[in-house]
Amino acid sequence: DGGITQSPKYLFRKEGQNVTLSCEQNLNHDAMYWYRQDPGQGLRLIYYSQIVNDFQKGDIAEGYSVSREKKESFPLTVTSAQKNPTAFYLCASSMAGVDTQYFGPGTRLTVL
Amino acid sequence: AQSVTQLGSHVSVSEGALVLLRCNYSSSVPPYLFWYVQYPNQGLQLLLKYTSAATLVKGINGFEAEFKKSETSFHLTKPSAHMSDAAEYFCAVSAFRGADGLTFGKGTHLIIQP
Repeated sequence: DGGITQSPKYLFRKEGQNVTLSCEQNLNHDAMYWYRQDPGQGLRLIYYSQIVNDFQKGDIAEGYSVSREKKESFPLTVTSAQKNPTAFYLCASSMAGVDTQYFGPGTRLTVL
Repeated sequence: AQSVTQLGSHVSVSEGALVLLRCNYSSSVPPYLFWYVQYPNQGLQLLLKYTSAATLVKGINGFEAEFKKSETSFHLTKPSAHMSDAAEYFCAVSAFRGADGLTFGKGTHLIIQP
């Protein structure tokens, strides 16, 4: 089955630690995205990548980093510089130049 | 820059009644508009999208939305609500075919009363 997988589903982090959230897609999509979701806030764009080895900051990139070494993978690192990282993180992908984004099941990150 | 406003963080309707979820957008260029649905602790599923073709867009699960440029609106409707429609609904806008990411509204939680 084609789709987007995110792991882990739940992640707990101690303050001061970096953590990496995984996002993999087998849809052969060129573009990939990371969003953060907070209750009552909708989704906000963190980073996006339209092609391998290239990515752009979204609206709330501070405290986050990404890499795009492979077409199918777009991991997100939440660094210790992110002051309030507890949230639901969603990864999405789309074909280049095509509008519809397809979403993964999400990772819920909790800072202890 | 674009933005989305969803009126009503919570909407409650009776089973079998009309569902109306409101979305107004702001965009400096002709927009692409989307409605997504999210069930608890899951990702988002596309309901329907407007990409400058027909102004009345039909989606999955009996939902439809009408693009009204003069009102900058893209309201979501369904003639008869079903218990399974209870979920969070998000309206989103993109200035250019979604390639640079979507701007989402804050969401509307739809409650279905038996």
